[in-house]
Amino acid sequence: GAGVSQTPSNKVTEKGKYVELRCDPISGHTALYWYRQSLGQGPEFLIYFQGTGAADDSGLPNDRFFAVRPEGSVSTLKIQRTERGDSAVYLCASSISGLRDTQYFGPGTRLTVL
Amino acid sequence: GEDVEQSLFLSVREGDSSVINCTYTDSSSTYLYWYKQEPGAGLQLLTYIFSNMDMKQDQRLTVLLNKKDKHLSLRIADTQTGDSAIYFCAEKNSGAGSYQLTFGKGTKLSVIP
Repeated sequence: GAGVSQTPSNKVTEKGKYVELRCDPISGHTALYWYRQSLGQGPEFLIYFQGTGAADDSGLPNDRFFAVRPEGSVSTLKIQRTERGDSAVYLCASSISGLRDTQYFGPGTRLTVL
Repeated sequence: GEDVEQSLFLSVREGDSSVINCTYTDSSSTYLYWYKQEPGAGLQLLTYIFSNMDMKQDQRLTVLLNKKDKHLSLRIADTQTGDSAIYFCAEKNSGAGSYQLTFGKGTKLSVIP
């Protein structure tokens, strides 16, 4: 079956603009994660959804970042008033449920803030 | 907090074995993972090990876990040029509640033909 998909694959925006990044998880996966990978670093956790609710948003760096998953499937990561430091690859992962289940990653969205 | 450390670079000759090492600090880690990332691509799961195991083998891959020393290694036998990539060690902590993964910075493996 299809893996995790993310759109767009690349996004270039100007400082101060608003962006939305989309993640389509593997069908039937109730858990969804967002991570951010800066250049030369490993991915860092942002937020975790179990179904429609954000069960853990402790990794969001500030209140410019917000994510939703209204129907428990597709998720959108929203970044307001983008800053150059937001430039990174944003990765989405999904898993069947929780602890025992492997997270499968999408190809990521490369965000560049000019 | 959790911390995962890896050496940044490894270079091996084609056909040799590669050993990538990782240390972690969280004693309540339950699962430990190895992911592979090729240039411009997402993370591909290679293998994982549960914390009550000390070894897992899967074809050319062998994972060794020393829970006492909090040390994890990935051995790739008969390394090929297609194995050139960045390898990330990650740990999952059952106590974190959200089952988030904590990653190291990655080890860049270069395979010399």
